[in-house]
Amino acid sequence: EVQLLDSGGGLVQPGGSLRLSCAASGFTFSSYAMTWVRLAPGKGLEWVSTISANGRDTDYADSVKGRFTISRDTSQNTVHLQMNSLRAEDTALYYCAKMTHWALGALDYWGQGTLVTVSS
Amino acid sequence: EIVMTQSPATLSVSPGERATLSCRASQTVGSNLAWYQQKPGQAPRLLIYGASTRATGIPARFSGSGSGTEFTLTISSLQSEDFAVYYCQQYNHWPPPFGQGTKVEIK
Repeated sequence: EVQLLDSGGGLVQPGGSLRLSCAASGFTFSSYAMTWVRLAPGKGLEWVSTISANGRDTDYADSVKGRFTISRDTSQNTVHLQMNSLRAEDTALYYCAKMTHWALGALDYWGQGTLVTVSS
Repeated sequence: EIVMTQSPATLSVSPGERATLSCRASQTVGSNLAWYQQKPGQAPRLLIYGASTRATGIPARFSGSGSGTEFTLTISSLQSEDFAVYYCQQYNHWPPPFGQGTKVEIK
């Protein structure tokens, strides 16, 4: 059974940092791209970042480019999202999701989400 | 960068009726289009990928169609559990944005 366990969210002040993690199990982790998606209060789903299966290709939404970094650890079957210079508008529920392909695909499995609140 | 536009923003439908949701891409995405359902307090769920293929466990009342830039999600006979927000997403090009969503509400 595929499982994605998101963690690392919390309350942080503007300008602060957080590192989100997503522990994956139940599939061959090294074969699939992984993605972070967020849902801000009152808004729709926003794609945040994707990393390819081999970790060589990454992409970011313009809203987070230069501040967030996605990475993956194949030895631990984990994906991370390092979030720096956080802003109030980054407040959201962050979901980790597995893609159906090694580079880009549909999101067929999702974590339960981890809440990030940026506030002073 | 591709922009995905969904319509309508809100769809009011009675249980048992048919619902038709639209998604338009600003440039062609072939058949690399997915639909998701999200209910309050739950993670999104993949309904359709490849524009028309139902994901595992998705009831047959959900169907997808289209290719290129115009796509449709049809729910043939709305059940109570289908009232939710629906999103489309293209995955033909980087980055893979979502549409803004269509809320299907009880009429």
